[in-house]
Amino acid sequence: AQKITQTQPGMFVQEKEAVTLDCTYDTSDQSYGLFWYKQPSSGEMIFLIYQGSYDEQNATEGRYSLNFQKARKSANLVISASQLGDSAMYFCAMRDPLVGNQFYFGTGTSLTVIP
Amino acid sequence: GAVVSQHPSRVICKSGTSVKIECRSLDFQATTMFWYRQFPKQSLMLMATSNEGSKATYEQGVEKDKFLINHASLTLSTLTVTSAHPEDSSFYICSAKGVQDPYGYTFGSGTRLTVV
Repeated sequence: AQKITQTQPGMFVQEKEAVTLDCTYDTSDQSYGLFWYKQPSSGEMIFLIYQGSYDEQNATEGRYSLNFQKARKSANLVISASQLGDSAMYFCAMRDPLVGNQFYFGTGTSLTVIP
Repeated sequence: GAVVSQHPSRVICKSGTSVKIECRSLDFQATTMFWYRQFPKQSLMLMATSNEGSKATYEQGVEKDKFLINHASLTLSTLTVTSAHPEDSSFYICSAKGVQDPYGYTFGSGTRLTVV
């Protein structure tokens, strides 16, 4: 069963606008962690933001915020004031303690920022 | 912050030869390292999990005799692709778990392997 679902293979956003990248997850555990990573064309995985399942407030890191809706099992990434350098693949991931803290990655969303 | 160095970043090898990829934690001790494989425009697929000083745990469908993983120290894990074939061409990326990293995981920069 797929643990992480990203339904947007590709997204476009105008420079300086905000964009939301969708992510839903599936777990029966109460304790888990949700991550977003950025992967530019060079390949490295850049950590963006983390949300713990027990965190009551949505995580924020600069222009990145995570819209965490636990009941709906969604963890959408919001990028505000998009910049050209934001063009990349974005992966949502979940760490599941039930399986040895293994990471499950979604299929990714390719974001293109248009000047 | 925590840094993981992965080498080489790119390698081209001939069919039938072996290639070793290194994953090194530079400023922390990595008790666990993970190896992933990523095909073009696809997600990361976990290949194996290695704990320092013990045998790696391979995911279903991953040939342990083909992808040899060694985690001999708390700062170094290696992945050796033995008798490489063109279908092994892929992007390989490691991540390391250490207590210093606030979220426990740091990724290397990846290795693009091309087998000709």
